[in-house]
Order: sequence, then C-alpha cells, then structure tokens
Amino acid sequence: DAGVIQSPRHEVTEMGQEVTLRCKPISGHDYLFWYRQTMMRGLELLIYFNNNVPIDDSGMPEDRFSAKMPNASFSTLKIQPSEPRDSAVYFCASSFRDETDTQYFGPGTRLTVL
Amino acid sequence: KQEVTQIPAALSVPEGENLVLNCSFTDSAIYNLQWFRQDPGKGLTSLLLIQSSQREQTSGRLNASLDKSSGRSTLYIAASQPGDSATYLCAVRVGSGTYKYIFGTGTRLKVLA
Repeated sequence: DAGVIQSPRHEVTEMGQEVTLRCKPISGHDYLFWYRQTMMRGLELLIYFNNNVPIDDSGMPEDRFSAKMPNASFSTLKIQPSEPRDSAVYFCASSFRDETDTQYFGPGTRLTVL
Repeated sequence: KQEVTQIPAALSVPEGENLVLNCSFTDSAIYNLQWFRQDPGKGLTSLLLIQSSQREQTSGRLNASLDKSSGRSTLYIAASQPGDSATYLCAVRVGSGTYKYIFGTGTRLKVLA
C-alpha cells in the first residue's frame, strides 16, 4: 500500500481565499483523523471519522473549518475564508480498529496564508 | 482538561549514550499512551503503545514505561545512534469511548556521531 496520501504537499494562498486539503487513507482503514501542527500549539486533533461519519469535531477551531468524508477512500478539509493564523502543517492519519491503536500518518500539507 | 508535557524540549547526546525522554500528563484517567517519532518534514510514526493496565513495553532498543498514578511515562533509548535523531512525541488517549489523543509538544533529539 502507498500509505496515507495527502495533497497538495505545499499550499500558499492569500488571506480570504478558500483552501481545500485532500486525504486518501490506507485501504481498509475505518478511522480517519485530521490534525494541525504549529510551533505554538503543537499537534492538535481537529476531527476524526469512523466509517465516513464524523465522530468528534470538537477540535475544529471555528466555522471557517469544515471536513467531509464522502466515501471510504477520500476526505477533505476546507478552510473558507483562510486567515494568516491558519498557517500550519495539516496531517491526515488513518487507522484500523484493533488492539494496536496504530495511526498511520500522511506526509502533511504545509499551508501558508499570506 | 488533560495536558501533556514533555521535558526537555531539546536534547543533544553523543552516539552510544543511553537516554531517557520524559512525558507527564495531568489526568491519570487515560486509556493508553503512545510514543511517536517525527522526522523533519514528515508525519508521525508510532513506536510503542502502552495500555493503561500495563507498566512497560519494549521494542528493540526502545523501552517505554507508564506510571498512571503519578501521571508519567518515560521512553528509554539504549545505545543511541545518529539515526535516532528526530522529534519524539507522547500522546494519551483520553478514554475507551473515543479515539481522541492529546499530544505533548515533543522532545527534539540529536545524536552526535
């Protein structure tokens, strides 16, 4: 398997623009997680899905952020409108529910909002 | 509210040294604790997971311990190598009914050849 795939790897945009980050989880995994990593706040869970259903979105910072998982092989994280404070690395991870609890992380998308 | 702290923030050691990374958490009611490794510009890789009922887990040169009552975990790396240079993060899963993990801010380790 190719692992968790994220696109784009880098995104530079201007304040006010819409940003869409994409994630393809590992085939067969039934959990998908979106994280944000910054120097100030470290790694934070934004939202996670189980079988394409959002389970916990308490980490989504505000209404400008939304996430969807239309099917088992694709998820998006959208920011509209984007702000400079949204600049961060956004990671997607997936896992299979077993005793190992192992999450497999993608390479991340580095977002810069000017 | 669960908070996870890692000290030190950065560590530099000569090759071959045994070392200990520390992780502390404020709420002892955790489901499990996991140690991750993050290389620059990459995602996280899971190293070891300790269930709340366990005291330690070992994998190769790595040994992780858990003391729930004191809210502490340590990651012991034996005979460190330059390839161990990375940032190490610990994370606690806050309950059995959720897959939410709270992460520490990490310890950046550099092993000098």
